[in-house]
Amino acid sequence: NAGVMQNPRHLVRRRGQEARLRCSPMKGHSHVYWYRQLPEEGLKFMVYLQKENIIDESGMPKERFSAEFPKEGPSILRIQQVVRGDSAAYFCASSPPQGRTGGYTGELFFGEGSRLTVL
Amino acid sequence: QKEVEQDPGPLSVPEGAIVSLNCTYSNSAFQYFMWYRQYSRKGPELLMYTYSSGNKEDGRFTAQVDKSSKYISLFIRDSQPSDSATYLCAMGRNTGFQKLVFGTGTRLLVSP
Repeated sequence: NAGVMQNPRHLVRRRGQEARLRCSPMKGHSHVYWYRQLPEEGLKFMVYLQKENIIDESGMPKERFSAEFPKEGPSILRIQQVVRGDSAAYFCASSPPQGRTGGYTGELFFGEGSRLTVL
Repeated sequence: QKEVEQDPGPLSVPEGAIVSLNCTYSNSAFQYFMWYRQYSRKGPELLMYTYSSGNKEDGRFTAQVDKSSKYISLFIRDSQPSDSATYLCAMGRNTGFQKLVFGTGTRLLVSP
């Protein structure tokens, strides 16, 4: 049973280019989260998506960043016109659907991350 | 002030030692408390999860939550070189989904 798959693992972009990071959740998981890990900082929540819906994007920068989770295919985190400050590790995580009571169901399963370097 | 504070370390111990890792937090709305382990260049993996106050034990690992002091701990008994990693505490509110706030992580080095 494959885990959360992220690609590319490493991405180098020049300032002003676009970066696209992809995430395929674990089989049976319908919730996807993106977190960013800057050097010497903890993981920061960016966005929470379900299929075809953005549920919470309160952690996303207001400009240049967007995320989607289409009906078919992986979730995509897109960064337009990258700047050096975007250099970071971007982690995707997935979780199963909520339990029948709607409560917390347990752990987040993280991928191995995509490391973006902006030159 | 950060919502979650965690000493970055590194914390160096000999094999077999008892390790104590800690986090403090400021937001009393946190209800869920977790410890993740992250090996270098890898994604975090969940070690322990606790709801509200109390203790939880799993093998060599024990998690403690003291909500009155806003303080959580992870104890590792009989530490092994394979435990060398960065340990991240994480916390969440009762929002129905896992919008977690992470500490910066403590780097642990266990020497043989």
